[in-house]
Amino acid sequence: NAGVTQTPKFQVLKTGQSMTLQCAQDMNHEYMSWYRQDPGMGLRLIHYSVGAGITDQGEVPNGYNVSRSTTEDFPLRLLSAAPSQTSVYFCASSLTPRGRSQETQYFGPGTRLLVL
Amino acid sequence: ILNVEQSPQSLHVQEGDSTNFTCSFPSSNFYALHWYRWETAKSPEALFVMTLNGDEKKKGRISATLNTKEGYSYLYIKGSQPEDSATYLCAFLKGNKLVFGAGTILRVKS
Repeated sequence: NAGVTQTPKFQVLKTGQSMTLQCAQDMNHEYMSWYRQDPGMGLRLIHYSVGAGITDQGEVPNGYNVSRSTTEDFPLRLLSAAPSQTSVYFCASSLTPRGRSQETQYFGPGTRLLVL
Repeated sequence: ILNVEQSPQSLHVQEGDSTNFTCSFPSSNFYALHWYRWETAKSPEALFVMTLNGDEKKKGRISATLNTKEGYSYLYIKGSQPEDSATYLCAFLKGNKLVFGAGTILRVKS
C-alpha cells in the first residue's frame, strides 16, 4: 500500500491564481481531511469528508473548496490564492473517526505552498 | 475549556530525564483523544488513541493516561533520548472533526 499520497510536494503561486492540491489513499478509508500547518498553531482543519459524496467544513474553510467523488481521492482547491494561504497542507485519512475503535489518522507527506 | 490546550509550549531536557506534557480538552460529549508524534520535515505519526476514562496506553518508553471526567490527558516519556525530540500533538474528536492542540515541542540534549 502507498498509504496517503499528496501532490505536488511544493508549489509557488501568484496572488489570484487557482490550483488543486491532490490527495489519494489506497486503504479504503472512509474519512479524509485536509489540514494546514502554520507556526505556533498546530494543525487546523480546513475541510473533511466522511465518505464519497459527503463533505463538510472544518475550522478554517474560507478560500478552499473540496469534493469527494470517489473513496480514494479528496482534492483541495484554492479558488483565488492569497498570501495568507502560504502554509504546509496535510491530507489525512482514517477508517472512521467515530466510535470506540482504535482508528488513528494516517497523514500524507504534505504540500508546501508559497503564495507571492 | 472550549478547545484543546497543550502545555507546556516547549520543553528542553537532558538525555535520561523523564518528562510529561498535558493535554486539556472539553469534558462533555467525549469520544476519543489522540496523541501524535511529529518530527521536523515529516508527517505526524500516531502514538495512541484513547477512548475510555482511566485508560492507560504504553509504547516503549512513552505512555499516556486519560481522565475524561476532568478533561485532561498526560503523555509521559521515561528516560528521554535525543531521538524523542519532536512536537507532540494531542487531538480531540469533536463530532466528526479532529481538533488539534498547538503541540508541545520537546528537545532532548545529549
